Amino acid sequence: EPEVTQTPSHQVTQMGQEVILRCVPISNHLYFYWYRQILGQKVEFLVSFYNNEISEKSEIFDDQFSVERPDGSNFTLKIRSTKLEDSAMYFCASTLQSPGDNQPQHFGDGTRLSIL
Amino acid sequence: DQQVKQNSPSLSVQEGRISILNCDYTNSMFDYFLWYKKYPAEGPTFLISISSIKDKNEDGRFTVFLNKSAKHLSLHIVPSQPGDSAVYFCAASSALRGGSEKLVFGKGTKLTVNP
Repeated sequence: EPEVTQTPSHQVTQMGQEVILRCVPISNHLYFYWYRQILGQKVEFLVSFYNNEISEKSEIFDDQFSVERPDGSNFTLKIRSTKLEDSAMYFCASTLQSPGDNQPQHFGDGTRLSIL
Repeated sequence: DQQVKQNSPSLSVQEGRISILNCDYTNSMFDYFLWYKKYPAEGPTFLISISSIKDKNEDGRFTVFLNKSAKHLSLHIVPSQPGDSAVYFCAASSALRGGSEKLVFGKGTKLTVNP
């Protein structure tokens, strides 16, 4: 069964450094998402991406964050000048859905980001 | 932000019995509801979903019930198996605005099925 792939599984970065988290969504999917889960807290939405542009972003997704689909397969989340509070599990998800056509989002196994 | 609430952090049941996981929501714009299962060190795995035009959806041992007037949904697992032991997340989205249909998650319920 097709799956969403995320790399690396664990990233350790010094505070203030830039980090890029990578995702390969399911190949025929159209919508792509990033979520994060801080330890002990809920999974929370960061950003959605469709047709090569951001379709929605949360308050968390400030100027420090950016997303890109540099080619036909990868979907990346970049965090510039990381902060301690960016430490979390970051999940990528994708779905085949068109607006109003309910389809589940499928998640990768996540990248654990640790900021030192 | 408590739009989706799972009030039971944990649930323990015996193998073969029914597991009932509950979820409440406050946003009346939600029209699509999902349950995900999560094992440690893995991402959420889609389990079952229900559209707001239905009140029940069944898939094998898993049934989701939706009570729109009460803004409540539940997941029933019958019979429960030890391999069902995981954290279960309720999630909801709204298609009314079109666009991304982001998911709003509950905090999760840790289910333990004892042999």
